[in-house]
Amino acid sequence: DQQVKQNSPSLSVQEGRISILNCDYTNSMFDYFLWYKKYPAEGPTFLISISSIKDKNEDGRFTVFLNKSAKHLSLHIVPSQPGDSAVYFCAATPPNTGNQFYFGTGTSLTVIP
Amino acid sequence: GAVVSQHPSRVICKSGTSVKIECRSLDFQATTMFWYRQFPKQSLMLMATSNEGSKATYEQGVEKDKFLINHASLTLSTLTVTSAHPEDSSFYICSARMRPLYNSPLHFGNGTRLTVT
Repeated sequence: DQQVKQNSPSLSVQEGRISILNCDYTNSMFDYFLWYKKYPAEGPTFLISISSIKDKNEDGRFTVFLNKSAKHLSLHIVPSQPGDSAVYFCAATPPNTGNQFYFGTGTSLTVIP
Repeated sequence: GAVVSQHPSRVICKSGTSVKIECRSLDFQATTMFWYRQFPKQSLMLMATSNEGSKATYEQGVEKDKFLINHASLTLSTLTVTSAHPEDSSFYICSARMRPLYNSPLHFGNGTRLTVT
Protein backbone atom coordinates (compact mmCIF):
# COMPACT_ATOMS: atom_id res chain seq x y z
CA ASP A 1 0.00 0.00 0.00
CA GLN A 2 1.69 3.15 -1.26
CA GLN A 3 1.01 5.82 1.37
CA VAL A 4 3.12 8.42 -0.38
CA LYS A 5 2.66 8.91 -4.09
CA GLN A 6 4.44 10.84 -6.76
CA ASN A 7 2.27 10.55 -9.81
CA SER A 8 4.66 12.17 -12.25
CA PRO A 9 7.59 9.90 -13.00
CA SER A 10 9.37 12.61 -14.96
CA LEU A 11 9.43 16.36 -15.53
CA SER A 12 11.37 18.56 -17.94
CA VAL A 13 11.88 22.27 -17.34
CA GLN A 14 13.88 24.97 -19.07
CA GLU A 15 16.79 26.44 -17.17
CA GLY A 16 15.76 29.53 -15.21
CA ARG A 17 12.10 28.53 -15.01
CA ILE A 18 10.26 27.10 -12.04
CA SER A 19 10.19 23.37 -11.35
CA ILE A 20 7.20 22.10 -9.41
CA LEU A 21 7.28 18.58 -8.08
CA ASN A 22 4.20 17.14 -6.48
CA CYS A 23 3.52 14.53 -3.85
CA ASP A 24 0.32 13.16 -2.33
CA TYR A 25 -0.15 11.13 0.80
CA THR A 26 -2.96 9.15 2.31
CA ASN A 27 -2.12 8.90 6.00
CA SER A 28 -3.46 11.88 7.93
CA MET A 29 -1.19 10.94 10.84
CA PHE A 30 1.93 12.01 8.94
CA ASP A 31 3.34 15.10 10.56
CA TYR A 32 6.81 15.51 9.07
CA PHE A 33 7.54 15.69 5.37
CA LEU A 34 10.81 15.75 3.49
CA TRP A 35 12.24 16.05 0.02
CA TYR A 36 15.36 14.21 -1.09
CA LYS A 37 17.43 14.54 -4.23
CA LYS A 38 19.16 11.52 -5.71
CA TYR A 39 21.74 11.15 -8.42
CA PRO A 40 22.31 7.77 -10.08
CA ALA A 41 24.41 5.32 -8.05
CA GLU A 42 24.35 7.62 -5.02
CA GLY A 43 22.33 7.75 -1.85
CA PRO A 44 19.56 10.35 -1.49
CA THR A 45 20.57 13.77 -0.21
CA PHE A 46 18.28 15.60 2.18
CA LEU A 47 16.99 18.83 0.66
CA ILE A 48 14.28 20.38 2.75
CA SER A 49 11.58 19.41 5.22
CA ILE A 50 8.40 20.75 6.73
CA SER A 51 6.42 19.87 9.82
CA SER A 52 2.67 19.72 9.80
CA ILE A 53 2.34 22.88 11.88
CA LYS A 54 3.58 24.89 8.90
CA ASP A 55 2.32 25.29 5.36
CA LYS A 56 5.51 26.62 3.81
CA ASN A 57 9.22 26.31 4.33
CA GLU A 58 11.83 28.03 2.23
CA ASP A 59 15.55 27.44 1.83
CA GLY A 60 17.24 29.38 -0.90
CA ARG A 61 15.89 28.28 -4.26
CA PHE A 62 13.82 25.50 -2.69
CA THR A 63 10.39 25.96 -1.17
CA VAL A 64 8.13 23.22 0.13
CA PHE A 65 4.40 23.80 0.42
CA LEU A 66 2.11 21.64 2.52
CA ASN A 67 -1.65 21.47 2.07
CA LYS A 68 -2.89 19.25 4.87
CA SER A 69 -6.53 19.33 3.87
CA ALA A 70 -5.63 18.04 0.43
CA LYS A 71 -2.87 15.78 1.78
CA HIS A 72 -0.57 17.26 -0.78
CA LEU A 73 2.90 18.73 -0.74
CA SER A 74 4.99 20.26 -3.45
CA LEU A 75 8.56 21.31 -3.99
CA HIS A 76 9.27 24.47 -5.95
CA ILE A 77 12.71 25.12 -7.37
CA VAL A 78 13.27 28.65 -8.62
CA PRO A 79 15.23 29.28 -10.75
CA SER A 80 15.92 25.79 -12.02
CA GLN A 81 19.50 24.97 -12.91
CA PRO A 82 20.96 22.08 -14.95
CA GLY A 83 22.61 20.76 -11.78
CA ASP A 84 19.14 20.25 -10.34
CA SER A 85 18.59 17.40 -12.78
CA ALA A 86 18.11 14.34 -10.56
CA VAL A 87 15.43 12.12 -9.11
CA TYR A 88 13.45 13.73 -6.31
CA PHE A 89 11.78 11.67 -3.61
CA CYS A 90 9.24 12.94 -1.15
CA ALA A 91 8.93 11.22 2.20
CA ALA A 92 6.67 11.39 5.21
CA THR A 93 6.67 10.07 8.70
CA PRO A 94 4.08 9.86 11.48
CA PRO A 95 4.91 11.05 14.99
CA ASN A 96 6.56 8.95 17.62
CA THR A 97 7.68 6.12 15.38
CA GLY A 98 11.31 7.11 15.34
CA ASN A 99 12.05 5.36 12.13
CA GLN A 100 9.20 4.70 9.76
CA PHE A 101 9.72 6.93 6.74
CA TYR A 102 7.47 6.39 3.76
CA PHE A 103 8.92 7.29 0.39
CA GLY A 104 7.28 8.12 -2.89
CA THR A 105 8.46 6.49 -6.12
CA GLY A 106 10.36 9.55 -7.24
CA THR A 107 10.17 12.12 -10.03
CA SER A 108 13.03 12.45 -12.46
CA LEU A 109 13.66 16.14 -13.13
CA THR A 110 15.55 17.25 -16.21
CA VAL A 111 16.53 20.89 -16.45
CA ILE A 112 17.26 21.79 -20.03
CA PRO A 113 20.03 24.37 -20.55
CA GLY B 1 26.57 18.48 8.27
CA ALA B 2 25.79 14.90 9.12
CA VAL B 3 27.72 12.37 7.06
CA VAL B 4 26.96 8.73 6.63
CA SER B 5 29.64 6.66 4.94
CA GLN B 6 28.91 3.36 3.25
CA HIS B 7 31.42 0.83 1.96
CA PRO B 8 31.90 -0.68 -0.52
CA SER B 9 30.19 1.37 -3.19
CA ARG B 10 30.13 -1.52 -5.60
CA VAL B 11 30.63 -5.25 -5.20
CA ILE B 12 30.35 -8.23 -7.50
CA CYS B 13 30.18 -11.67 -5.97
CA LYS B 14 29.46 -15.21 -7.03
CA SER B 15 26.23 -16.94 -6.20
CA GLY B 16 26.41 -18.68 -2.83
CA THR B 17 28.94 -16.36 -1.27
CA SER B 18 28.34 -13.74 1.43
CA VAL B 19 28.89 -10.03 1.21
CA LYS B 20 29.28 -7.53 4.04
CA ILE B 21 28.34 -3.88 3.69
CA GLU B 22 29.43 -1.33 6.27
CA CYS B 23 27.63 1.84 7.28
CA ARG B 24 29.29 4.43 9.47
CA SER B 25 28.06 7.69 10.92
CA LEU B 26 31.12 9.93 10.69
CA ASP B 27 30.33 12.94 12.81
CA PHE B 28 27.49 11.85 15.03
CA GLN B 29 26.39 8.89 17.08
CA ALA B 30 23.53 6.87 15.73
CA THR B 31 21.76 4.52 18.07
CA THR B 32 19.55 3.57 15.17
CA MET B 33 20.46 3.01 11.54
CA PHE B 34 18.22 1.91 8.72
CA TRP B 35 18.85 -0.29 5.73
CA TYR B 36 16.99 0.34 2.52
CA ARG B 37 16.91 -1.40 -0.81
CA GLN B 38 16.07 0.18 -4.11
CA PHE B 39 14.92 -1.74 -7.14
CA PRO B 40 15.27 -0.15 -10.57
CA LYS B 41 12.81 2.68 -11.10
CA GLN B 42 11.19 2.01 -7.76
CA SER B 43 11.04 3.66 -4.41
CA LEU B 44 13.23 3.04 -1.40
CA MET B 45 12.11 0.01 0.54
CA LEU B 46 12.92 -0.17 4.24
CA MET B 47 14.45 -3.56 4.97
CA ALA B 48 15.32 -3.33 8.61
CA THR B 49 16.08 -1.06 11.52
CA SER B 50 19.45 -1.61 13.14
CA ASN B 51 19.58 -0.93 16.87
CA GLU B 52 22.86 -0.50 18.71
CA GLY B 53 23.33 -3.23 21.25
CA SER B 54 20.20 -5.16 20.37
CA LYS B 55 18.62 -7.17 17.62
CA ALA B 56 17.57 -5.58 14.39
CA THR B 57 13.93 -5.15 13.53
CA TYR B 58 13.04 -6.51 10.12
CA GLU B 59 10.21 -5.40 7.88
CA GLN B 60 7.65 -7.88 6.74
CA GLY B 61 8.90 -10.09 3.97
CA VAL B 62 12.60 -9.50 4.67
CA GLU B 63 14.46 -12.68 5.62
CA LYS B 64 16.48 -12.01 8.75
CA ASP B 65 18.64 -15.08 8.19
CA LYS B 66 19.60 -13.88 4.73
CA PHE B 67 20.19 -10.26 5.63
CA LEU B 68 22.20 -10.28 8.84
CA ILE B 69 22.50 -6.96 10.59
CA ASN B 70 24.95 -6.12 13.32
CA HIS B 71 25.10 -2.76 15.10
CA ALA B 72 28.17 -3.15 17.24
CA SER B 73 28.78 0.47 18.10
CA LEU B 74 27.11 3.87 17.98
CA THR B 75 28.80 4.63 14.68
CA LEU B 76 28.81 1.33 12.80
CA SER B 77 26.17 -0.98 11.41
CA THR B 78 26.83 -3.83 9.01
CA LEU B 79 24.56 -5.69 6.62
CA THR B 80 25.69 -9.13 5.50
CA VAL B 81 23.93 -10.71 2.55
CA THR B 82 24.40 -14.42 3.14
CA SER B 83 24.41 -17.06 0.43
CA ALA B 84 23.75 -14.41 -2.16
CA HIS B 85 21.73 -15.21 -5.26
CA PRO B 86 21.22 -13.21 -8.44
CA GLU B 87 17.84 -11.98 -7.20
CA ASP B 88 19.67 -10.27 -4.33
CA SER B 89 21.34 -8.00 -6.86
CA SER B 90 20.19 -4.52 -5.96
CA PHE B 91 21.17 -1.12 -4.62
CA TYR B 92 21.44 -1.15 -0.82
CA ILE B 93 21.49 2.10 1.10
CA CYS B 94 21.95 2.75 4.79
CA SER B 95 20.77 5.78 6.68
CA ALA B 96 20.77 7.26 10.14
CA ARG B 97 19.19 10.08 12.08
CA MET B 98 20.89 12.48 14.39
CA ARG B 99 19.36 12.91 17.82
CA PRO B 100 16.83 14.16 18.74
CA LEU B 101 14.84 11.87 16.51
CA TYR B 102 11.70 13.93 16.33
CA ASN B 103 11.46 16.01 13.17
CA SER B 104 14.96 15.25 12.04
CA PRO B 105 15.80 13.95 8.57
CA LEU B 106 17.34 10.68 7.58
CA HIS B 107 20.87 11.04 6.27
CA PHE B 108 21.84 8.45 3.70
CA GLY B 109 25.06 6.78 2.71
CA ASN B 110 26.06 6.65 -0.94
CA GLY B 111 24.73 3.16 -1.38
CA THR B 112 26.21 -0.16 -2.43
CA ARG B 113 25.52 -1.71 -5.81
CA LEU B 114 25.53 -5.46 -5.34
CA THR B 115 25.74 -7.70 -8.37
CA VAL B 116 25.51 -11.45 -7.82
CA THR B 117 26.68 -13.54 -10.76
